[in-house]
Order: sequence, then structure tokens, then C-alpha cells
Amino acid sequence: GAVVSQHPSRVICKSGTSVKIECRSLDFQATTMFWYRQFPKQSLMLMATSNEGSKATYEQGVEKDKFLINHASLTLSTLTVTSAHPEDSSFYICSAWTSGGAETQYFGPGTRLLVL
Amino acid sequence: DAKTTQPPSMDCAEGRAANLPCNHSTISGNEYVYWYRQIHSQGPQYIIHGLKNNETNEMASLIITEDRKSSTLILPHATLRDTAVYYCIVRIIQGAQKLVFGQGTRLTINP
Repeated sequence: GAVVSQHPSRVICKSGTSVKIECRSLDFQATTMFWYRQFPKQSLMLMATSNEGSKATYEQGVEKDKFLINHASLTLSTLTVTSAHPEDSSFYICSAWTSGGAETQYFGPGTRLLVL
Repeated sequence: DAKTTQPPSMDCAEGRAANLPCNHSTISGNEYVYWYRQIHSQGPQYIIHGLKNNETNEMASLIITEDRKSSTLILPHATLRDTAVYYCIVRIIQGAQKLVFGQGTRLTINP
């Protein structure tokens, strides 16, 4: 299947700093990508839809100024957690749809963020 | 998108077929059934999807009832590596739409 990568896979940062997570579609172009967050023992929660060349669409309750999303190219979306706090510690996962008659959404391997 | 209902957990013996049920009684005619699984600390993995016909690929089979109100994912010969949380999701295919995850079924394959 199609490949979606994330970088870094794991990051530890101090409270108050900002962290950028990259999501890349390696063998296909993705005009739309999605960002999810997952807390321990819980399901994935959609945070936002990332649209290439335009503003992201955030789910209700997700602070757009705290979770900055940039989708500057057809293969790259970035999520920046600004002024991170311990409660932002979570597993962040991105995904993207392939198209062309076999519509399937593929997910990245995830980024584990720990804010101290 | 229609809501799905799955049992919270299931057990299956290694080498046997694992049958995971999913109820989606409010599914619309243009909604597909998707199955994903998530192994601990990894991103979800696509397994299979279908509209109304049964589907099979190298990973699994998807059986959808005639009224489309429920479906079953079948792993024909379960291995220990199939231990994961399995998610059944229904959604329309119309553009790049989001997937909304429920709680899924935690499948444990026992030796």
C-alpha cells in the first residue's frame, strides 16, 4: 500500500517550547491530509484536516493557534504544537487519502510527544 | 457518517479464523465499510473496505450482509501478530473525507 511517513517518531521537549511534526506522503500526492491525536488506551481523535495551499479545518474544541498546521506542498503537511504543556503529551498520527479509483486512507507511524 | 458498534474485546486461538463483527444499522446506500487495525504504538493499518459485495484480499475477507446493516471481518488463519485493536468505520467516498474512529475491538490471539 501507499506509504505515509512521520518525523520525528518520538520527541521529548520542555514545557513552553514548540515542536514541529512532519507528515509526508512518499509515493503519492495528497491535497488533503489529516491529523489525529491519541491518548493512552483511547481511540484516535481527529484534530484537523490539512488542505494543500489553504487553511486547515479544525475540529470543534481544537485550538487552531496552539496546533498550527501548514500544508505547503502536495506531499508534506506539518503540525506545530506551540508552547507545549504536559497535557499535550500524546501520540500524534497523520493520514492521507490516495485516489484514482482505489480510495483508501493511509496512516503514518505516529509521533510520540512527551512534554516535561 | 453512520455509527458503528463493535464488541470491546475478543479472543481467538492462533491458527484459527478470527471473525470480528460490526453493526452499522444506519448505514446509507453510498457509505462504504472500512476496516483498519492498530497494533500497539503504531499508526492504523488499512485492511479492507467494501460497499455491498463481499471482498477478499491478502490480509482478510469482508462479509457484508445483504441489508448492509452489519459486516464481519475474517482473518482466516490468525497469528500472534494479528493481536491489535480493529476498527470498523463507515463513510462515503466523495472526495477526501475524514474517518471517525470508534472504540474498536481489541483482538487477542492466544498461543
